[in-house]
Parts: sequence; C-alpha cells; structure tokens
Amino acid sequence: DTAVSQTPKYLVTQMGNDKSIKCEQNLGHDTMYWYKQDSKKFLKIMFSYNNKELIINETVPNRFSPKSPDKAHLNLHINSLELGDSAVYFCASRGQGGSKNIQYFGAGTRLSVL
Amino acid sequence: GDSVTQMEGPVTLSEEAFLTINCTYTATGYPSLFWYVQYPGEGLQLLLKATKADDKGSNKGFEATYRKETTSFHLEKGSVQVSDSAVYFCALSDPGGFKTIFGAGTRLFVKA
Repeated sequence: DTAVSQTPKYLVTQMGNDKSIKCEQNLGHDTMYWYKQDSKKFLKIMFSYNNKELIINETVPNRFSPKSPDKAHLNLHINSLELGDSAVYFCASRGQGGSKNIQYFGAGTRLSVL
Repeated sequence: GDSVTQMEGPVTLSEEAFLTINCTYTATGYPSLFWYVQYPGEGLQLLLKATKADDKGSNKGFEATYRKETTSFHLEKGSVQVSDSAVYFCALSDPGGFKTIFGAGTRLFVKA
C-alpha cells in the first residue's frame, strides 16, 4: 500500500494548457507539501498545508494553485503552462510523533511542457 | 536564514571504496539533521537522521554524526556497492517548524 501516491506519473502537454496533479497520503499526517525538482536535482519547496490550511507559500507564480479538500489530499493546479514549468513535482507529507519532521515523498510527476 | 551546503558532485567511486559526502549547515536553533537518498525515477526517502549534538545516525552501512562544534553532518560508508548509485541530499529541520531545508544534492556513481 503506497504511503504517498501522486498521479499522473508523467504529464506531457502544450504551452498555455491547464493541468492538475493529484496527491493522496494514507499515513494520517496533518501536513503536506509540494516541491519542484529541476533538471539539476535541486529541490525547491512550493507550498505546504497543515490540516487543510495554507502555511507555507514560497515565491511561486500565481498560475500555481494548491487545493486541500481534506488533510489526506493536496492537489496542484497549474494554469497557462510555460516551458519553464517543465520539472519533476513531488508531493510529501510530514511525520509526527516518533517520525517528527521526517518527510515522506511520493514517486513524483514528470511534467514536460512542449 | 537556515541553510545546508553539501559537496558538489558527481562523485565516482569503484565498488568497495570508502565514501564521504560532506555536509555543513547554518541554523539559529537546534535543528534535526537528515540524509535522504533518491534512486533513479523515485522520490526521496529517508536514509538516516540525528536529532541532537553527538548523535550518530546509521542505516544500510551509512553513518553520519551530528557535530555542533563544526556544524557538520558528513555521510560516510566504508564499502560502497553499485546499488548505492543515487543522489544524496543533506537536510535540516527546525523541530518547532514545518519547513525542511535541503542541500543541492550529490550524485554518486559506483562502478563495478
């Protein structure tokens, strides 16, 4: 049973399109994240939600809009896609109790904008 | 603000060689320190952690010791295998906060 699952795994689309990536965690964690990883493997935090409330919003274009319908789900919608949005996007959740501050990552969504 | 600096890669080693990947950090408080590993086509996964000074984290033959005096958390393994080829990330987290700060990652290639 996958702990943090995100769909789709691959996304190929044209410039200007709108797309969404979905993420679900079955670990019972309160806090979830979206990260962007570029081609050099640099990992940049984008957003974080704690119990459906936005708590981290880094400098990200407002074409990116996260939505958390409940604490087990954090989706990412991207409007008017640009070439520079091509990257791997990772969803993660944050451990609690004995696993405090450990990040649990999904397998990633590779977005290619043509 | 808090930051993590790790050695640039790629690092290329022969099987059974000794591995060190250097990591230093800057933090105002007393962070927890982590090493994560990313295998090709996968997400990051925790390799080991240490939560206070002089703690040693260990897993799968990898070790790292939390050194407050040198603000370092270097990753070591005595004998690497081809299957250790991956990208390794050093990271820190303020126990009271929600953000984890990652280093830039170090790619390791191990040749047979």
